[in-house]
Amino acid sequence: GQNIDQPTEMTATEGAIVQINCTYQTSGFNGLFWYQQHAGEAPTFLSYNVLDGLEEKGRFSSFLSRSKGYSYLLLKELQMKDSASYLCAAVDSNYQLIWGAGTKLIIKP
Amino acid sequence: IAGITQAPTSQILAAGRRMTLRCTQDMRHNAMYWYRQDLGLGLRLIHYSNTAGTTGKGEVPDGYSVSRANTDDFPLTLASAVPSQTSVYFCASSEGGVTTGELFFGEGSRLTVL
Repeated sequence: GQNIDQPTEMTATEGAIVQINCTYQTSGFNGLFWYQQHAGEAPTFLSYNVLDGLEEKGRFSSFLSRSKGYSYLLLKELQMKDSASYLCAAVDSNYQLIWGAGTKLIIKP
Repeated sequence: IAGITQAPTSQILAAGRRMTLRCTQDMRHNAMYWYRQDLGLGLRLIHYSNTAGTTGKGEVPDGYSVSRANTDDFPLTLASAVPSQTSVYFCASSEGGVTTGELFFGEGSRLTVL
């Protein structure tokens, strides 16, 4: 079966760095997305990786290793507003998105 | 800029009743999707439409139907609601297929079936 694994919850301190991991097992692979979702709100796009390596976008970076079925989202200089759930989603061979359950990130002062 | 508008934002419904969740986008996107989001589970695709006039079944289509008469509207109908359909429903759109760009989500419709 197809599966996305990511930690349920993480806690970090304001100003610090946090890495949220995601492993995927899909039938075929056509890229991986990260979305941010604040409580009670809609998910919003953060990044899309299809090639191996690190992509940096301001305070957020996303890494992909296709051979390991692994991605991570790196958040630097954490701010209180970064408290949210972070959703990992892989694109399978049918170009369908397979979503993880999300990682709830709690930022403490 | 409206993006995607969903209605209603919240609804309590008796089991057995028919319910239509409305979704309208003003971005002229070709593809639209309906997801449900339940605690502890990832977003699950109910139905999708790659372009006006076509629809397809997602991972959890049973008990739901959709139509795509035009580019902008993609309503989701529950013919006879059951308590297991209690969930938060998100409509989303993308310019093309999922790998051509990001999905834009509506604010969600919280549905409770009693």
